[in-house]
Amino acid sequence: QKEVEQNSGPLSVPEGAIASLNCTYSDRGSQSFFWYRQYSGKSPELIMFIYSNGDKEDGRFTAQLNKASQYVSLLIRDSQPSDSATYLCAVNWGGGTSYGKLTFGQGTILTVHP
Amino acid sequence: GAGVSQSPSNKVTEKGKDVELRCDPISGHTALYWYRQSLGQGLEFLIYFQGNSAPDKSGLPSDRFSAERTGGSVSTLTIQRTQQEDSAVYLCASSPLAGGEAGELFFGEGSRLTVL
Repeated sequence: QKEVEQNSGPLSVPEGAIASLNCTYSDRGSQSFFWYRQYSGKSPELIMFIYSNGDKEDGRFTAQLNKASQYVSLLIRDSQPSDSATYLCAVNWGGGTSYGKLTFGQGTILTVHP
Repeated sequence: GAGVSQSPSNKVTEKGKDVELRCDPISGHTALYWYRQSLGQGLEFLIYFQGNSAPDKSGLPSDRFSAERTGGSVSTLTIQRTQQEDSAVYLCASSPLAGGEAGELFFGEGSRLTVL
């Protein structure tokens, strides 16, 4: 059973701080990794994806991938109250009939307080 | 339309009834996915379509669940003889790619199903 694990939180950070969200996955063959944001009562929206080891930056967001440790993280710099949401980590195992299918973690609830 | 469209947005039904949920993906998107999300839970994969075929149905919970896609576009998820544990938000997503960037999913707003 391929699994994706996240700390459900809630994670609470003050406005302007760095929020660090973590995710581990069980299958070393995993190919691509995604972070989705889901506001309460809304559907998930993609904010970042990463395929290669290392860091990938997009504005205030940085995704970090370490395949040897089977670990992916999302850093949000200068956190804003509007960043308060559930962050879902998703993994694409790739290959065969499962190509394109994502397995999601349970999500981490982030609250940014003024 | 600009995004993935799902209907109905809300459905309340009695245990034992059949329900149909519809998804209209973004035009040109070849891949279509159904997930469901129970209260406070993550997303549970149900089925994946590439064109009209479903190479992966592994997430369908039981034979009461079925799905089809016609014309490479609209998909219908059918739940027969609904049970209370079927209550959840059913999310449809589409993707333009089945290649390396697979996983960049565009979700609809979901169909909230409540089985009494």
